[in-house]
Amino acid sequence: DTAVSQTPKYLVTQMGNDKSIKCEQNLGHDTMYWYKQDSKKFLKIMFSYNNKELIINETVPNRFSPKSPDKAHLNLHINSLELGDSAVYFCASSQDLNNSPLHFGNGTRLTVT
Amino acid sequence: GENVEQHPSTLSVQEGDSAVIKCTYSDSASNYFPWYKQELGKGPQLIIDIRSNVGEKKDQRIAVTLNKTAKHFSLHITETQPEDSAVYFCAASKGSSYKLIFGSGTRLLVRP
Repeated sequence: DTAVSQTPKYLVTQMGNDKSIKCEQNLGHDTMYWYKQDSKKFLKIMFSYNNKELIINETVPNRFSPKSPDKAHLNLHINSLELGDSAVYFCASSQDLNNSPLHFGNGTRLTVT
Repeated sequence: GENVEQHPSTLSVQEGDSAVIKCTYSDSASNYFPWYKQELGKGPQLIIDIRSNVGEKKDQRIAVTLNKTAKHFSLHITETQPEDSAVYFCAASKGSSYKLIFGSGTRLLVRP
């Protein structure tokens, strides 16, 4: 009965490839997010998706694109992977955007070689 | 924009002692201050949060204090146990979960 689940847990790929990470939440939340955690543990928001409205962190390269088939799913697609994309990517959800607590998945460790 | 600074970056305590982690924020309009615990190989998990209309909140061995004038807030863990060992993150936001800014994390080690 995992609340926020993401797959795969590990992803190793070569530069230039395209990859996707999937995320699902069974909490009935309205808002989902993608965060990036670098090697120094800094957590940085990438996107949020709320009622079909996408909010993008302007620092995120357009090689990253979130896709939401429905309210319970927010997948992350990455084109033309670069070495600097190596990090742990966390999906999260919250009831809404109004300072609601975040529920995180267990992360996907992406390694680009 | 908001900036959140967190100290110390690492903290080692003896089991049973107390641990205190401090954070400062820059935007006086921030009104929501959660704390997250991240265990190895897992995602951050909310352990306690406080809103700007409250100065202190307690939940069993964990407490958070907020000083709006000085723009700082702290996490207090009493009677620490080895299972408290993890990375702890403070965060601050003003009105929107999307605008939540995290501190840089504190690695807490509780020695048996």
